[in-house]
Amino acid sequence: DIQMTQSPSSLSASVGDRVTITCRASQSISRNLDWYQHKPGKAPKLLIYAASTLQSGVPSRFSGSGSATDFTLTISSLQPEDFATYYCQQSYNTPYTFGQGTKLEIK
Amino acid sequence: EVHLVESGGGLVQPGGSLRLSCAASGFTFSNYAMSWVRQAPGKGLEWVALISVSDAAGSYYADSVKGRFTISRDNSRNTLYLQVNSLRAEDTAIYYCAKATVGVPGTFDIWGRGTMVTVSS
Repeated sequence: DIQMTQSPSSLSASVGDRVTITCRASQSISRNLDWYQHKPGKAPKLLIYAASTLQSGVPSRFSGSGSATDFTLTISSLQPEDFATYYCQQSYNTPYTFGQGTKLEIK
Repeated sequence: EVHLVESGGGLVQPGGSLRLSCAASGFTFSNYAMSWVRQAPGKGLEWVALISVSDAAGSYYADSVKGRFTISRDNSRNTLYLQVNSLRAEDTAIYYCAKATVGVPGTFDIWGRGTMVTVSS
């Protein structure tokens, strides 16, 4: 199985900050990497797919990059509604696997 | 508008069974692969099972549920199912259904809000 490792596991930041979350795969997954935002009690939301393609309706302050084993999610200027948990996930093959999550909290 | 609504969760004893359902609306259900993903209390997301568009293309499972869970779909009812048998305490989780994107069965663009399964005596 492909292991996905996210860092950091938690992060405190302020509104307006630039934030970067990293995700590493245990083997090459080409660009088959997606990012999700999850808030308590809500459905997870797809933000980025294929490593860098912004899902329709997602604000442009979110961006993704990377290929093979190393990927990043960047939020250019944090907004109050961005405080949530973020997950990377490989869609390369089954079993699909998620990173352990990064909880983004208000400083 | 595209919607997925899960139901069928509840409290069940270890060794018991449940059938989870996911009602889909707002899209042509039969055209998309579908998955179940779960989240145990205080834990992250875990993919559980995938069913392809057609039966011929098959279904796939996480090792943790293989042989105990069965994913199925009824395209005439726009409904996805997960039969969960031989339940264990570690199966306690919120179970989400998720719609795959076109062409990439492992990318999930629409999710439901989940149904809670609690396994306890």
